[in-house]
Amino acid sequence: GENVEQHPSTLSVQEGDSAVIKCTYSDSASNYFPWYKQELGKGPQLIIDIRSNVGEKKDQRIAVTLNKTAKHFSLHITETQPEDSAVYFCAASIATNAGKSTFGDGTTLTVKP
Amino acid sequence: GAGVSQSPSNKVTEKGKDVELRCDPISGHTALYWYRQRLGQGLEFLIYFQGNSAPDKSGLPSDRFSAERTGESVSTLTIQRTQQEDSAVYLCASSLSLAPGQETQYFGPGTRLLVL
Repeated sequence: GENVEQHPSTLSVQEGDSAVIKCTYSDSASNYFPWYKQELGKGPQLIIDIRSNVGEKKDQRIAVTLNKTAKHFSLHITETQPEDSAVYFCAASIATNAGKSTFGDGTTLTVKP
Repeated sequence: GAGVSQSPSNKVTEKGKDVELRCDPISGHTALYWYRQRLGQGLEFLIYFQGNSAPDKSGLPSDRFSAERTGESVSTLTIQRTQQEDSAVYLCASSLSLAPGQETQYFGPGTRLLVL
């Protein structure tokens, strides 16, 4: 089955700096890659996603890049703010079984004011 | 509109007892998912339902775990003869469908289960 590895497990940045979180996946058939933000005591919330027919997607301060050949995708947050502090999860799924997502273990991002 | 709701928000039980966790998805969402999240870890897929299709139960860790869904509404996750290793947050999510562009999962706040 699919295996998703996420790095780093913790990341601390200064307010205003950029943060990058990377994930690798094992199944070349995976074609949908969402990123979630989870705040303390809450369920995860989708922040951005990308499909395998696209190499990059941006939404304001957040961007995701996908390298299908290397089977890795990354989350980029620019101009970080204290409210970006949370746990971020990547995930991967296959179109033929879109209901079954495999998640990374999460990255705890701390943005220091 | 209302999001995904789960009940109870917290549950403390004794080893060996059965527990039932409830999930109310967003109205109109045909797909519903259950995940387990152990402390400090990622989400572990348990089961998903899509419309009237047979559920994908491939993530259920043992036959002590089962889930049901009535039509396209409420779902219950049942854990029989609970063990201490079942202690975790159980998250439910729903999506419009599994079709590309409609598979965004909206999560509930979770049920925190502690087995003593």
